[in-house]
Amino acid sequence: DSGVTQTPKHLITATGQRVTLRCSPRSGDLSVYWYQQSLDQGLQFLIQYYNGEERAKGNILERFSAQQFPDLHSELNLSSLELGDSALYFCASSADRGGETQYFGPGTRLLVL
Amino acid sequence: LAKTTQPVSMDSYEGQEVNITCSHNNIATNDYITWYQQFPSQGPRFIIQGYKTKVTNEVASLFIPADRKSSTLSLPRVSLSDTAVYYCLVGPNYGQNFVFGPGTRLSVLP
Repeated sequence: DSGVTQTPKHLITATGQRVTLRCSPRSGDLSVYWYQQSLDQGLQFLIQYYNGEERAKGNILERFSAQQFPDLHSELNLSSLELGDSALYFCASSADRGGETQYFGPGTRLLVL
Repeated sequence: LAKTTQPVSMDSYEGQEVNITCSHNNIATNDYITWYQQFPSQGPRFIIQGYKTKVTNEVASLFIPADRKSSTLSLPRVSLSDTAVYYCLVGPNYGQNFVFGPGTRLSVLP
């Protein structure tokens, strides 16, 4: 158990809809990272937050947004969903900004029908 | 940002030692090398991290030569349960993309 929690575990929705994925980092960790992993694909970095502020941005679509709240939990919002957004979404956390050691959550499996 | 290169896949048999090498020619002075393991449908798991020479923990060893342009993850006496994808990551990465790359898919055969 990494100490990172993600909810929900599974999500099934329809195209055009909007969903919110939630992540609670390990106790004391200030950085949160979001990744997308499609079937048999590598991890695609989406975005990093550190202590409430956006620190790094990867290949995140404009339809996607994220934020980190004062209690350090984070939410990833996915809107106008398309079939291709079906994937595993992982959240990771680390104590520092540099992300040398990231602890990953179990992921949220999103299926867009 | 240091780019890494690893073999796409490797096969091994149970009980053998497996060595996976990662190349990172552009590694910076303050970069650490970190290896992760990922099983299907699970999040990657931290295995080991090092800066130079050799690091060993209960799971693996990490060998880093003096020029630090490569590193080798060594898994002693692998079992079927070591079948996974192994990623090499170089960082820290401040304000930049965290690139895990395709990793090395290790298949351990009975």
